[in-house]
Formats: sequence, C-alpha cells, structure tokens
Amino acid sequence: AQTVTQSQPEMSVQEAETVTLSCTYDTSENNYYLFWYKQPPSRQMILVIRQEAYKQQNATENRFSVNFQKAAKSFSLKISDSQLGDTAMYFCAFMKHAENNNDMRFGAGTRLTVKP
Amino acid sequence: DTGVSQNPRHKITKRGQNVTFRCDPISEHNRLYWYRQTLGQGPEFLTYFQNEAQLEKSRLLSDRFSAERPKGSFSTLEIQRTEQGDSAMYLCASSLGDYNTGELFFGEGSRLTVL
Repeated sequence: AQTVTQSQPEMSVQEAETVTLSCTYDTSENNYYLFWYKQPPSRQMILVIRQEAYKQQNATENRFSVNFQKAAKSFSLKISDSQLGDTAMYFCAFMKHAENNNDMRFGAGTRLTVKP
Repeated sequence: DTGVSQNPRHKITKRGQNVTFRCDPISEHNRLYWYRQTLGQGPEFLTYFQNEAQLEKSRLLSDRFSAERPKGSFSTLEIQRTEQGDSAMYLCASSLGDYNTGELFFGEGSRLTVL
C-alpha cells in the first residue's frame, strides 16, 4: 500500500522569504504521479504542482518548485518569495499511473503561515 | 462558476439521523470521487465513479454509507444512522479521466457535525 508522510505539521515563513515543505512516500510502483495541493482556510483544494515519476526534471510553476528524489522517495515543495496568500494547508499526494486512477493518497498536511 | 459544487456546505444532525450530500462535478468530467477529511488530517478516499459506474469503494465506506451517480452527472452520498465518528468534511472531486494528468478538481466540501 502507498503511504504519504509529511513530517512538518506546521511551518511559518516571513513574507518574501523561501520555505521548503517536506514529503516522503512509500510505494512499490514505478510509474506514478506526485502532487502538492493547497487548501486555503475555508476554501477548496487546488493543485499547486504535479510531478510525473518517469520525468527526472523537477517540476516548476512560477514561485513553486519541487525537489523530486525518486530513489529516496522524497518530494519536497519549495515556495520562493512567499506571499501572504500562500498561507494555507499544503498536502502532498500520490497517485499511481494507471488507466483507472482512483486512489489518490494524501499526507496529513503542513499548515503554512506567511507572516508580514 | 463552473467548478465542482457541493451542497449543503454545512449539516448539523443528531446521532441516528440520515443525511445526504450532493456533488455536481465539472460538466465534462466523467470521473467523480468522494473523500472524507477529519480535522488535522489529509483527505481519505471513500469511493469513485466513472460515469455512472461505481468502480471502487474504500473499506472506510461502511454499510451505512451509499453513493450514487445515476446519470453519470451529479452524485449523492448518503449516510444512514449517523454516528458521532461520522463528523468530518466530505469532499467531492472530479476529473476528465485522463490518467496522463491525474489532476483532481475539488469542491469546497460539505461539513457534517453529528451531535
């Protein structure tokens, strides 16, 4: 079974600084996706960034980038130039690469607070 | 707004009562998912539909839970004889079914409180 672990329940960062959120996962699959989702207070979860396991290049989306270490089963999220609007719960998620993708597994989340 | 819509947003009920939640996915999405999220935890998978077919159910989905998607559009999640342990946020998500992207689009959730 796949498990996703986020070891940082809470983190904080000063506005404009950089913060890294950690995620590790356990799987025997070779082909899969990894995701970071953001859940602002009282709002729906939205996708921040996605990584396909077969791609060696780390995904980037504007101020968001990942450090994907497949052998170590590590998938950290780096947020550069943090903004107040980045304050949210961040969930790391895993989904195996299959036609009938179904069971997206989530970590317990990291609550990020950006301080002015 | 063409996103995933969930109703009601909040439901308070007494133990033993039945509750039903509705999810309207993004119109062209053929896959629909239900998740449960308790305080301080990530979402846990409950069940998933492709069109009207329910393809998978988690063991978290006890006999008191039933989900339907009768015409392959909206879906309902019913909980019978609610228990206090059912208190949670119930999230619905949809996707195009393109496994090459894997992205799910989530609604804002339906929060259930069982007294």
